[in-house]
Amino acid sequence: DSGVTQTPKHLITATGQRVTLRCSPRSGDLSVYWYQQSLDQGLQFLIQYYNGEERAKGNILERFSAQQFPDLHSELNLSSLELGDSALYFCASSWTSGSPDTQYFGPGTRLTVL
Amino acid sequence: DAKTTQPPSMDCAEGRAANLPCNHSTISGNEYVYWYRQIHSQGPQYIIHGLKNNETNEMASLIITEDRKSSTLILPHATLRDTAVYYCIVRVSQGGSEKLVFGKGMKLTVNP
Repeated sequence: DSGVTQTPKHLITATGQRVTLRCSPRSGDLSVYWYQQSLDQGLQFLIQYYNGEERAKGNILERFSAQQFPDLHSELNLSSLELGDSALYFCASSWTSGSPDTQYFGPGTRLTVL
Repeated sequence: DAKTTQPPSMDCAEGRAANLPCNHSTISGNEYVYWYRQIHSQGPQYIIHGLKNNETNEMASLIITEDRKSSTLILPHATLRDTAVYYCIVRVSQGGSEKLVFGKGMKLTVNP
């Protein structure tokens, strides 16, 4: 158990819909990272927040957005969902934002878009 | 834009040492090598990391060559539960942030 929690575990929805994935970092961690893992793309970094502020952006679509709240939990919002958004979404957390800081991953949310 | 190269797969007998190689010939002097593994579709699990010295923890040992262009992850006594995809990662610095760039990884199968 990494100490990072993610809800829900599974999510099934339809194209065009909007969903919110939630992540609670390990106690004391200030950074939250979001990753997407699909069958054809592997694990891809989406976005990072550090202490409530966006710190880095990766291959995140404009239909996707995220935020980190004062209690440090984070939410990833996915809108206008397409079939290709079906994937595993992982959240990771770390204490700081720089190296060498280890990222610990949550169990993931499996999103299925029908 | 992964900066590492790993063989796609490897087999190992249970109880034997598993030596997992990784090439990172373009690594910069201040970049760390990280190893994670992913069992089935679970979240990636941190194993170990290092800069230039060899490192050991309760899970594994990491041997980094003197020129830092390659490294080997050693699982001293592989068990069936070590069957997983192993990722060798060089941390990428981006404006004060450190994102992990995952490649395809290497599937380790531990056989009874």
